[in-house]
Amino acid sequence: KAGVTQTPRYLIKTRGQQVTLSCSPISGHRSVSWYQQTPGQGLQFLFEYFSETQRNKGNFPGRFSGRQFSNSRSEMNVSTLELGDSALYLCASSLKTGGTETQYFGPGTRLLVL
Amino acid sequence: DQQVKQNSPSLSVQEGRISILNCDYTNSMFDYFLWYKKYPAEGPTFLISISSIKDKNEDGRFTVFLNKSAKHLSLHIVPSQPGDSAVYFCAAVGGGFKTIFGAGTRLFVKA
Repeated sequence: KAGVTQTPRYLIKTRGQQVTLSCSPISGHRSVSWYQQTPGQGLQFLFEYFSETQRNKGNFPGRFSGRQFSNSRSEMNVSTLELGDSALYLCASSLKTGGTETQYFGPGTRLLVL
Repeated sequence: DQQVKQNSPSLSVQEGRISILNCDYTNSMFDYFLWYKKYPAEGPTFLISISSIKDKNEDGRFTVFLNKSAKHLSLHIVPSQPGDSAVYFCAAVGGGFKTIFGAGTRLFVKA
């Protein structure tokens, strides 16, 4: 079974631009979560989608948004990029919602904002 | 406000010895805990978990201990192997089902 895939793997943007990241979960998985990883901060939870509905949201500004499609693929959008948005963005999928489900992570998209 | 803390950014251990990675949490509502391992250029992979109704869970060389009164958990790796060198993240889940991760501890296992 193919793992979680994320595209693109690397991205360079400038301040003020917007970016869309894509995540394809493991086949059959309906829950997709997004995390931001920065040095010293670990993985910060962004949001979780389950069956096209946002189930949970972390403490990030409204510039960070996401959506999930009927095939469970998910996109994350960041508008008006800031230098501090430079990070590794990880997507994780699981069969069901609920944190006790093991999450399977993709390799991440490394975003650099100049 | 970091609800899950891994106070040691790095740990160095000799091959064959025990590695002990520590994690503290502040929210008593957390009832499920997980450890993930992350290699460079890869996403984290699930390692082991423990429910709050238990105080120990073992899987091969990996054992997780939970001390609820101290709000502390630890991951023991015995014996440590060079392939265990990675970043280890502690994670906690509670009401609302959000998974809160710690900042990670980088483990170096020297041959």
